[in-house]
Amino acid sequence: GENVEQHPSTLSVQEGDSAVIKCTYSDSASNYFPWYKQELGKRPQLIIDIRSNVGEKKDQRIAVTLNKTAKHFSLHITETQPEDSAVYFCAANRYNYGQNFVFGPGTRLSVLP
Amino acid sequence: EAGVTQFPSHSVIEKGQTVTLRCDPISGHDNLYWYRRVMGKEIKFLLHFVKESKQDESGMPNNRFLAERTGGTYSTLKVQPAELEDSGVYFCASSFHSGTGHTGELFFGEGSRLTVL
Repeated sequence: GENVEQHPSTLSVQEGDSAVIKCTYSDSASNYFPWYKQELGKRPQLIIDIRSNVGEKKDQRIAVTLNKTAKHFSLHITETQPEDSAVYFCAANRYNYGQNFVFGPGTRLSVLP
Repeated sequence: EAGVTQFPSHSVIEKGQTVTLRCDPISGHDNLYWYRRVMGKEIKFLLHFVKESKQDESGMPNNRFLAERTGGTYSTLKVQPAELEDSGVYFCASSFHSGTGHTGELFFGEGSRLTVL
């Protein structure tokens, strides 16, 4: 089955700096890669996603890149702000039909003022 | 539009007791998932319903866990008897299924925190 690894487990950056979180997946059949943000005590929420037919996607300060050959994808946050502090989870979609998701272990991002 | 709702938000029980968690997905979402996060670790898959059918229950840890989705609407996850290692946050999520294999966004509930003493 699919296995998703995520690094680093914790990340601290100064406000205004960039943050990068990397994930690798094992199943070459995975074709959809969402990123979820979970603030303390709240539900995980989708912040950006990418499909396997695209190499990069950007939404304001957030971007995701995908390397299908190497089977890894990354989340990039620029100009970080204190409200970016949260746990970020990457995920891979295991099936084309039925949408089963496998999540990485999460990265706790702290943006220091 | 109402989101995914879960009940209870927090449950504290003793080892050996029974707990039932409930999830109401977003109306019209055929896909319903249960996940668990233990001790700040990964969000681990438990099982997946498509309407009332179990599409994949490979993540269910053992036969003390029973999930149902009668009528394809809300779902319940029962733990009986509960053990200490069952403590964690149980998330329910739902998504729309297009029928053509296209993936839709996964919407999470706020989770049910289970503490087994």
